Parts: sequence; C-alpha cells; structure tokens
Amino acid sequence: QEQLVQSGSELKKPGASVKISCKASGYTFTTFAMNWVRQAPGQGLEWMGWINTNTGNPTYAQGFTGRFVFSLDTSVSTAYLQISRLKAEDTAMYYCAKSFATWNDAESWFDPWGQGTLVTVSS
Amino acid sequence: DIQMTQSPSSLSASVGDRVTITCRASQGISSYLAWYQQKPGKVPKLLIYAASTLQSGVPSRFSGSGSGTDFTLTISSLQPEDVATYYCQKYNSAPFTFGPGTKVDIK
Repeated sequence: QEQLVQSGSELKKPGASVKISCKASGYTFTTFAMNWVRQAPGQGLEWMGWINTNTGNPTYAQGFTGRFVFSLDTSVSTAYLQISRLKAEDTAMYYCAKSFATWNDAESWFDPWGQGTLVTVSS
Repeated sequence: DIQMTQSPSSLSASVGDRVTITCRASQGISSYLAWYQQKPGKVPKLLIYAASTLQSGVPSRFSGSGSGTDFTLTISSLQPEDVATYYCQKYNSAPFTFGPGTKVDIK
C-alpha cells in the first residue's frame, strides 16, 4: 500500500537549519506530486507548496519563500523539506502529503499523508 | 487568492445527532473540494473528495455536498469516534488552501 514515512522529531536553536525527509513506498514516486503542510501547535493546516517529482520544480505558497526549500532524491523515492534560519514561529508539525492524481497533477486531493515531523525551535 | 471559511468553528452534539459543517469559498471552485478529519494527535485523514465522493473505507454516515462556493459535510449519526477537527480544502488551483477547521465533540 502507498505509504509516506517521515524523519523523526527535531529540536533546533534559532538560526539553525533543519532538513526533513519523506520516504515514499508502494507507488511510482515520480508520477505523483508531493505537498508539504504545516500545522503550528493548536492551529490549523497550512499548505506550504508542492514539488513536481518528475521535474523537481517546486512551487511555494505565499509565506514560504526564501527560507523554505523542497527537494528530491528520486533514487530513494524521498522528498525533503529544508528550513533555514529557523525562528521560534517555525515550531510546528510538518507533513508531507501525496497528491492523488497521476502525471504530477497537483490539482488533486491529498492521500496519503506522512506521520508528521515535529520541529521545535528553542534556545 | 481564494479564501476558505468554515462554520461553525466548533460544535458540541449528542451521540446519534445529525451534524452539518459548512465550508465556503470566496470564489467558485466547481467541485474541487476535499474534506479531512483530524483526530487529536493524529494525522489528517481524507474523508471526501470531489465535494461528494466518499473515500474508500470511510463510514457511510459521512457525506458531502455542494459545488461552486458552498459546501457541506454531514455526519448523519454522530459517534464517539467522530470527535475530531474537520477541514475543507480547495484544490482547483494553487494555493490549495485549507479552511480554518471545525472542532466537533460530544455533548
């Protein structure tokens, strides 16, 4: 079955960087877009953007440009989210989520989701 | 960008009650709407896509309707395991914005 497994929780100091991984299995990785979603503590879901897993072209939502980078390693069916110059307000759960539609059509619902990676930024 | 709103923001109902959650888009999105359920401390789970299509394995007490700008998620008979926050999401075009969520609990 399709599955996304994310890397473990991270505790970082302000100004540091973090790289979260999302390993896909059970489907052809390069056929389906991958999304990233943030959920701050006690808050709702916020779409961060998506990456075309065939071309590697990322699209970032407003508010997630500059310090946020989506990347891929297709040889291991893994997507990455890197956040640089971390701030306290980056403390959140970060989810990867696969777009359902084929051929990297991002205009689709999300299923499945990774289990989430908690990033805590604290001095 | 299209904004998504939900009402109510929270509700409390009795087991067996019919529960309706509304989602509104600031512009028409045809039927490009999904609903997700997020139980406390858990990963969001897809319930409904294309506004009214039930995801495989989701209990039939859940249903969705609407198109254009106004959508509803209905739980026909609320069960204790339905305690969760429910989010709508548009996916007609980026950004794939989520609604702010509706928290459902048992009275």
